[in-house]
Amino acid sequence: SQQGEEDPQALSIQEGENATMNCSYKTSINNLQWYRQNSGRGLVHLILIRSNEREKHSGRLRVTLDTSKKSSSLLITASRAADTASYFCATGRPGGTSYGKLTFGQGTILTVHP
Amino acid sequence: DSGVTQTPKHLITATGQRVTLRCSPRSGDLSVYWYQQSLDQGLQFLIQYYNGEERAKGNILERFSAQQFPDLHSELNLSSLELGDSALYFCASSFRVNTEAFFGQGTRLTVV
Repeated sequence: SQQGEEDPQALSIQEGENATMNCSYKTSINNLQWYRQNSGRGLVHLILIRSNEREKHSGRLRVTLDTSKKSSSLLITASRAADTASYFCATGRPGGTSYGKLTFGQGTILTVHP
Repeated sequence: DSGVTQTPKHLITATGQRVTLRCSPRSGDLSVYWYQQSLDQGLQFLIQYYNGEERAKGNILERFSAQQFPDLHSELNLSSLELGDSALYFCASSFRVNTEAFFGQGTRLTVV
């Protein structure tokens, strides 16, 4: 079963607009990560936010984490056609038998029109 | 280039056969993860190794097995293959547990 659930499943925007994707999860986490995948290719790590952090930035990316609501959001500002890809959140478990298990959601398909 | 190498890139085999997928992690990374990606199931966690030892297990079928060798490369063995095993198989590596993971380009397995 998937730990993370992304919302929306698909997002279509124009170049220059901002894109926001949300992720909800069910169990306690050590960290939450966002990845990007271009069609049929390997996943590329974008950003990692730890459970004791609330917000993190990297270039045009901004990630927030609300552990009380078990949710995270990824904001891509001033989107470009090259940002077209699938975006996945993944959660890292804190301990026990699943320590380190990195579980992915179903992903959001982002299409940025030129 | 993530630094993670997976071979082969493509594999076509018949039902009932056995295949081995190979993964070389990034230099210095101790943790290796295996994932299966299909259209209907999404990205499914199979198994994780850390420095040669199994660390976490997902919904890995009994027909599948994996190991991480002393040189840290890993192999995923899939046996008694079924049509439903057709998927993209990814390997990822990370320096430690709960740090960013770097993915290989995957092995596309087609069972006919």
